[in-house]
Amino acid sequence: DTGVSQDPRHKITKRGQNVTFRCDPISEHNRLYWYRQTLGQGPEFLTYFQNEAQLEKSRLLSDRFSAERPKGSFSTLEIQRTEQGDSAMYLCASSLAGQGYEQYFGPGTRLTVT
Amino acid sequence: KQEVTQIPAALSVPEGENLVLNCSFTDSAIYNLQWFRQDPGKGLTSLLLIQSSQREQTSGRLNASLDKSSGRSTLYIAASQPGDSATYLCAVRTGNNRKLIWGLGTSLAVNP
Repeated sequence: DTGVSQDPRHKITKRGQNVTFRCDPISEHNRLYWYRQTLGQGPEFLTYFQNEAQLEKSRLLSDRFSAERPKGSFSTLEIQRTEQGDSAMYLCASSLAGQGYEQYFGPGTRLTVT
Repeated sequence: KQEVTQIPAALSVPEGENLVLNCSFTDSAIYNLQWFRQDPGKGLTSLLLIQSSQREQTSGRLNASLDKSSGRSTLYIAASQPGDSATYLCAVRTGNNRKLIWGLGTSLAVNP
């Protein structure tokens, strides 16, 4: 097991384009979280899944954002019609319910919208 | 609404010093508290996890304490080294969804 992985690590896109990020959690972890972090700030919760069910979405997640975890394993986060304010590090974490809920983080995807 | 505050925002110390980073939270009804390290432009590395029933956790030169009733945690770093230079983030886990609520971090520089 190699931990949580995210792809791509960096993404530069022009305003108005759509982007999609992928997160592969630690195998057998049933919870998966997405956070966003801007420069100089702590991460902010976006959404989380238990298995394939999306159980909570932050108000930060506008209609342009959508996340899926179709088979309860990997997850995708899509941003439509990107704006410059979407530029941030997008972090994914996974945890196993009942093990203290300790979250293990991936390396993040850094998005730059020009 | 849970809020997490970290003091100081930045700290610069000479190598070898012992130091303390502070974290406070407004709602004591937490599930647990976690300290992370973040290097510039990188993801998060978990350092220590303290359950709400615990008072402290230790890992090597790091010791984290938790006083849930007063809403405070401290991260003690002994004999600091230049390799400890990073941002240290405190996060509390709360609610049924167990999402993390984060502080803004303390940026630490250890000078050789």
